[in-house]
Amino acid sequence: ELKVEQNPLFLSMQEGKNYTIYCNYSTTSDRLYWYRQDPGKSLESLFVLLSNGAVKQEGRLMASLDTKARLSTLHITAAVHDLSATYFCAGHAGGTSYGKLTFGQGTILTVHP
Amino acid sequence: GAVVSQHPSWVICKSGTSVKIECRSLDFQATTMFWYRQFPKQSLMLMATSNEGSKATYEQGVEKDKFLINHASLTLSTLTVTSAHPEDSSFYICSASQTFTDTQYFGPGTRLTVL
Repeated sequence: ELKVEQNPLFLSMQEGKNYTIYCNYSTTSDRLYWYRQDPGKSLESLFVLLSNGAVKQEGRLMASLDTKARLSTLHITAAVHDLSATYFCAGHAGGTSYGKLTFGQGTILTVHP
Repeated sequence: GAVVSQHPSWVICKSGTSVKIECRSLDFQATTMFWYRQFPKQSLMLMATSNEGSKATYEQGVEKDKFLINHASLTLSTLTVTSAHPEDSSFYICSASQTFTDTQYFGPGTRLTVL
């Protein structure tokens, strides 16, 4: 059974600083997703990573995947207040569990002036 | 493109009543829809997977007689919470997958409060 763990669970950052959120998963996952959730809202898709070494960037966010280490990272560069949200990673086990996503606990990011 | 809607966006009901939540794919056909539940400040937990025209597959620990799922067409799935109790109060989110593709598109969610 696929398990996904994120850390840290809470992250308080100053504007302009850099930080990384880590996402570890327990068994093979054929793809890794990152989502953003604002309070009271549903999920906004950020990235999907499909292969080892995949790196994707959008604005101040960059996601990477290391399938050998079973690790994905979400790197935040020069944080701004608008990035304050909860970030989830999710793995996809595939096979008989095709389509089912397993979510990490979420990282609550707060960016302070 | 690839928009998923949910209705209602929020609902308050009395304990013991049933509530139906609709999930619609507006501009694509969804072979598979997923229903998630999210308690405050927690992650999303998959409740069930719904395939058009067949019975839903429920995750372990989810009561299928309490959470009735119907996926009668390629654009509509419904979740009915029967005999709702305060502990069923939660944020219910559906997602839908296009036929033959992998991407899940999430609906805006439905906040259920049971008094």
